[in-house]
Amino acid sequence: SQKIEQNSEALNIQEGKTATLTCNYTNYSPAYLQWYRQDPGRGPVFLLLIRENEKEKRKERLKVTFDTTLKQSLFHITASQPADSATYLCALGRRSGYSTLTFGKGTMLLVSP
Amino acid sequence: EAEVAQSPRYKITEKSQAVAFWCDPISGHATLYWYRQILGQGPELLVQFQDESVVDDSQLPKDRFSAERLKGVDSTLKIQPAELGDSAMYLCASSLVTGLAGFRYEQYFGPGTRLTVT
Repeated sequence: SQKIEQNSEALNIQEGKTATLTCNYTNYSPAYLQWYRQDPGRGPVFLLLIRENEKEKRKERLKVTFDTTLKQSLFHITASQPADSATYLCALGRRSGYSTLTFGKGTMLLVSP
Repeated sequence: EAEVAQSPRYKITEKSQAVAFWCDPISGHATLYWYRQILGQGPELLVQFQDESVVDDSQLPKDRFSAERLKGVDSTLKIQPAELGDSAMYLCASSLVTGLAGFRYEQYFGPGTRLTVT
């Protein structure tokens, strides 16, 4: 069956460092992948989208990579700030049909001052 | 900035009662989604609409859940009867029309409705 794995343990880093979050998947061939941020008690907020034919995407301090051979996406936040503390969700999109997303469980990031 | 509206924000109900949630997507967004999110898990799709038509309800427990989007704008999700296991956050999201091929758009989520069944 399809499986999306994100680190279940929280990632603790110091302010100013680069945070790297991992999203692995099995039994899936996504056409694209999205990353969302979710704060406690609120809905997810879209951050980045990367297609299967793209290796890397950047937006300000954010960078996402997509390796379809390894079946893995890495999400990086450079120069992290305490305000970056949140849960980050990866979501995989189908190759055909409508834009249905399958979400991972998310990884909590805690950035300490 | 346009936002997805949901109401109520919080709902407490007793098991076996009926409960309904409302969602108003961003204007012009043809695709509307209802998700359920259990604490510590990612959102799980319940139903997806393209305009007023259901295009995916494979994970919707149809014996107790129903959803409609009569005019292709706002939507209602109903649970009847509610069970203890239905306690969760119910999220609504919308996106621009995507069709069957081509570019996939990001989804915009509402604040959610936190349901507690006692």
